[in-house]
Amino acid sequence: DIQMTQFPSSLSASVGDKVTITCRASQGISYFLAWYQQKPGKVPKLLTSAPSILQPGVPSRFSGSGSGTEFTLTISSLQPEDVATYYCQKYNSAPFTFGPGTKVDI
Amino acid sequence: QVQLVQSGSELKKPGASVKISCKASGYIFTTYAINWVRQAPGQGLEWMGWINTNTGSPTYAQGFTGRFVFSLDTSVNTAYLQISSLESEDAAIYYCARAHFFSDYWGQGTQVSVSS
Repeated sequence: DIQMTQFPSSLSASVGDKVTITCRASQGISYFLAWYQQKPGKVPKLLTSAPSILQPGVPSRFSGSGSGTEFTLTISSLQPEDVATYYCQKYNSAPFTFGPGTKVDI
Repeated sequence: QVQLVQSGSELKKPGASVKISCKASGYIFTTYAINWVRQAPGQGLEWMGWINTNTGSPTYAQGFTGRFVFSLDTSVNTAYLQISSLESEDAAIYYCARAHFFSDYWGQGTQVSVSS
């Protein structure tokens, strides 16, 4: 099965900073990657799919990019409400494995 | 609006079974599969598998075969997850989600606790 890794595993940044999270697949998955945000104690929320298609209602400071084996989620200007754990997920074929997550703090 | 509403928290003894429901509304149930995702305490998201709501055919991820069963009742737009022979390691929050392959709408989660 294809393994998903993310780095960093955690980061702390200041309000207004640009934040980049990387997700790597052990084999090519084309563009079949989604990003989720999970705030503490809350349900995961889909941010992007494919991986640059922003879901309705997601702020434009979030953007996804990449294809093949390397993908990034960028927050262009970190806001206090962005404190969360971010997960990538492959969906080219089952199993639809999640990455281990990146915890973002301020 | 699309909603998935899951059944409430469960406290079970080791060896018992639990059945979690996930009722969908706001869309045509049989046009999207249902993903099941587990989140153990303090851990990440783990894709358990999915069920095709058109055919009823389930797909289980490695580690979720045998004791885990996905099922449907399309007459009431509801998916089910049954876990048998519960172990302490099954204590987690279980989520259902509408599947576009990825998950665009999620249930609120069902907490399963396992304790003697």
